[in-house]
Amino acid sequence: QKEVEQDPGPLSVPEGAIVSLNCTYSNSAFQYFMWYRQYSRKGPELLMYTYSSGNKEDGRFTAQVDKSSKYISLFIRDSQPSDSATYLCAMRGMRGGSNYKLTFGKGTLLTVNP
Amino acid sequence: GAGVSQSPSNKVTEKGKDVELRCDPISGHTALYWYRQSLGQGLEFLIYFQGNSAPDKSGLPSDRFSAERTGGSVSTLTIQRTQQEDSAVYLCASSLAGPGAGHNEQFFGPGTRLTVL
Repeated sequence: QKEVEQDPGPLSVPEGAIVSLNCTYSNSAFQYFMWYRQYSRKGPELLMYTYSSGNKEDGRFTAQVDKSSKYISLFIRDSQPSDSATYLCAMRGMRGGSNYKLTFGKGTLLTVNP
Repeated sequence: GAGVSQSPSNKVTEKGKDVELRCDPISGHTALYWYRQSLGQGLEFLIYFQGNSAPDKSGLPSDRFSAERTGGSVSTLTIQRTQQEDSAVYLCASSLAGPGAGHNEQFFGPGTRLTVL
C-alpha cells in the first residue's frame, strides 16, 4: 500500500459544477497537507496548504483535513475551464526526514467542459 | 521575480549514455529538492540539498544517479549509463528555508522531460 492514495480519474465535469477531489494516507506523522495544481507540461504550483486538521477556504477552493480518518479533500466551487489540470495532494511531517520530503498522490486529471 | 528554471526542457538520449540535468533555484533559496515524475507513479522524492550539502539522498534509485550543488545555487543531477526505466520528468524545487521553518513552500520548476531510447 502506498503512503498516499489518490484516484487518478480522469474526472470530467461541466462548467459551474462543484468538484470534489480527495486523498487518503497511512502515515500518522503527516502534519502538513497541500494541494498542488499542475498544468500540462508545467511544474506543480501550490494551491493551498493546511496544518493539522480543519478547513481552509480561499476563494472558490476549500481544503479539508480529517486526521482521524486520514482523509483530505479539495473542493472547487463554480468550476471553470481554466481549472482543467492535474491536481496533486502532497503531505509531510514535522520531524526528521519527513519535515521537508513531500509525499505525493498520483494526481487526479480534471477537465471542466464549457 | 524569476522562478525555478531547469534545462534542458527535453532530453532524448540513447540507452547507456550519461545525461546531466540542470536546476537554477529562486535566488536566495537555501533548500533545493529533486523529484521524479513517472507515468502513473506520481512525484517521487530523490534528494534534498541544504546549501551545498545533501543530508538526504535516500530517494536516489541507484548509484547511477548523483547530484551536486555549487555556490548554494545551481544544482546538477547526473544519470550515468541511462536505462529506459529512467525515462520520466525530473522536477526541481526550491524553498526559502530548510526544515523546521513551519510551512516552507516548495516552488517547482517546469521540469526536464527525459526520454531514453
